[in-house]
Amino acid sequence: KAGVTQTPRYLIKTRGQQVTLSCSPISGHRSVSWYQQTPGQGLQFLFEYFSETQRNKGNFPGRFSGRQFSNSRSEMNVSTLELGDSALYLCASSPLAGRSGNTIYFGEGSWLTVV
Amino acid sequence: DAKTTQPPSMDCAEGRAANLPCNHSTISGNEYVYWYRQIHSQGPQYIIHGLKNNETNEMASLIITEDRKSSTLILPHATLRDTAVYYCIVYSYNTDKLIFGTGTRLQVFP
Repeated sequence: KAGVTQTPRYLIKTRGQQVTLSCSPISGHRSVSWYQQTPGQGLQFLFEYFSETQRNKGNFPGRFSGRQFSNSRSEMNVSTLELGDSALYLCASSPLAGRSGNTIYFGEGSWLTVV
Repeated sequence: DAKTTQPPSMDCAEGRAANLPCNHSTISGNEYVYWYRQIHSQGPQYIIHGLKNNETNEMASLIITEDRKSSTLILPHATLRDTAVYYCIVYSYNTDKLIFGTGTRLQVFP
């Protein structure tokens, strides 16, 4: 069974540009969450999607957005990139949403460097 | 949100059991405890989770105290590949997400 797949794995962008990251969840999983990891702030929750609807959102500016497609694949977008957006972006999938007790699996992440 | 407290670092000899403690004294009755580990800034790897009973799988055992205020992750025979940052997390019903702390950096030495 394939795991959570994130693309691209590494990318470099310039300040002011935008970036789109993709996540394919484990087959059969309908919930996709996104996290940002930086050395200073650790792992922080960005948002969660379930059945193409955003269920939950963390404390990030509106430049961070996402969506989920009918096949449960998800994308996140960051517009007007800032140097501080350089981070490892992680996607996690689980069968259901909002249920403590689900097994939640993470992808390998997308390394974004903003220069 | 239920906060977790873990020692920042621990050492363990290869082949010995690694016992990683976690305090979660404000956990609610229906909130699960999860353990993940992260190696070299790869994606966090799921290890195990539990509610109140002890749990065991092929990777580790999870021992939760009767009052649920603390737990211990046990790696029965640590290897060098178990060197990683281990995160103890409580899934928060209030905020409906995993809240990661700073974790424990486990160093397994030969």
